[in-house]
Amino acid sequence: DADVTQTPRNRITKTGKRIMLECSQTKGHDRMYWYRQDPGLGLQLIYYSFDVKDINKGEISDGYSVSRQAQAKFSLSLESAIPNQTALYFCATSDTGGVEQFFGPGTRLTVL
Amino acid sequence: GQQLNQSPQSMFIQEGEDVSMNCTSSSIFNTWLWYKQDPGEGPVLLIALYKAGELTSNGRLTAQFGITRKDSFLNISASIPSDVGIYFCAGLTPYTGNQFYFGTGTSLTVIP
Repeated sequence: DADVTQTPRNRITKTGKRIMLECSQTKGHDRMYWYRQDPGLGLQLIYYSFDVKDINKGEISDGYSVSRQAQAKFSLSLESAIPNQTALYFCATSDTGGVEQFFGPGTRLTVL
Repeated sequence: GQQLNQSPQSMFIQEGEDVSMNCTSSSIFNTWLWYKQDPGEGPVLLIALYKAGELTSNGRLTAQFGITRKDSFLNISASIPSDVGIYFCAGLTPYTGNQFYFGTGTSLTVIP
């Protein structure tokens, strides 16, 4: 079974809708991250969390919010989706003090 | 935010050829990472570099941490079809705490 799972894997929604992307991990890591990937732009950090009570904004947090429900779960919400939020979204985890991030398989989100 | 420029953006090579790609920044970094993303999956760490001048190999892959601390290089020798994917550099600066920045990616196609 995958160590980092994301649901849904694909989602098509309409402008203005609220969307939640979920991430779960079985690696026992304290640190979790949300990135978006756009063609030609690499990965951009949206939010990250170093433990259950810790939430930090990344480079591109506007229009997004997160919730760290437990050590193993980190959700990303788009309160009112807009078309330029169409992208591939990745969740990742890392161990405290470690540099390697372990990525989930991604969620492809399309906002019409 | 920090900008990591990767070049080339894409490469089309014959199986058996060697590959070189690089990543440059306007700021110094104290850790460089190289990831590979297979189609439809999340990135996976290939090599981590921790000090200027460091040269590290992982099978046919060799990466170097530039002396200026503003660049890094990845070489793949004797390419094979399974090397196909997108290669990302990522860096950690002394100025932004624990936030990694990712490059724009190099897309590699290997022609059998």
